Amino acid sequence: DAGVIQSPRHEVTEMGQEVTLRCKPISGHNSLFWYRQTMMRGLELLIYFNNNVPIDDSGMPEDRFSAKMPNASFSTLKIQPSEPRDSAVYFCASSVSAGRGTPGELFFGEGSRLTVL
Amino acid sequence: AQSVTQPDIHITVSEGASLELRCNYSYGATPYLFWYVQSPGQGLQLLLKYFSGDTLVQGIKGFEAEFKRSQSSFNLRKPSVHWSDAAEYFCAVGLANAGGTSYGKLTFGQGTILTVHP
Repeated sequence: DAGVIQSPRHEVTEMGQEVTLRCKPISGHNSLFWYRQTMMRGLELLIYFNNNVPIDDSGMPEDRFSAKMPNASFSTLKIQPSEPRDSAVYFCASSVSAGRGTPGELFFGEGSRLTVL
Repeated sequence: AQSVTQPDIHITVSEGASLELRCNYSYGATPYLFWYVQSPGQGLQLLLKYFSGDTLVQGIKGFEAEFKRSQSSFNLRKPSVHWSDAAEYFCAVGLANAGGTSYGKLTFGQGTILTVHP
């Protein structure tokens, strides 16, 4: 089975440009997470969805960041306008969550490395 | 607020030596605890997890971890390290939202980079 698929793997853009990162979760998983990884701040949870509904977006750093999940097999994270401090590796992860009870294992994509010049 | 601390940023061991990576958590209820490994340029892979029951859990690649409630710790161990174990290791705690429903949300520690000398 295919794992979590992220695109692009690498993105280099200039400050002020719009960036869209894409994620296809594992089929059958009902929770999706966007994390950001930097040397200074480690892994930060930006937003997560359950059954395509955003549950908690308190980790989204600014209004420049937005995320959508229009269906169970696709999610996007958009940064507009981008800034150099947004440079990081962005990970998407998915899991099966049954609601109450134990959390499922997170399966991570290989990440999208973003560089904003 | 829940938190996870990995006191060691970088650890170096010789191949064949034993390994212990430390993890301490701060959480009001019984936590769900995880160890993940990240190889360079890759995403994170689950090594093992603790939800309840036996406090010594076995994982993949010969790793194990022990949950010690009295010490709020969940240290990762391996009796003999291989060069291929060189990677970054993350401890994580599973959270539930205010309604008591868990959606698999995890908070990660800062990570420990493991270097293995031949």
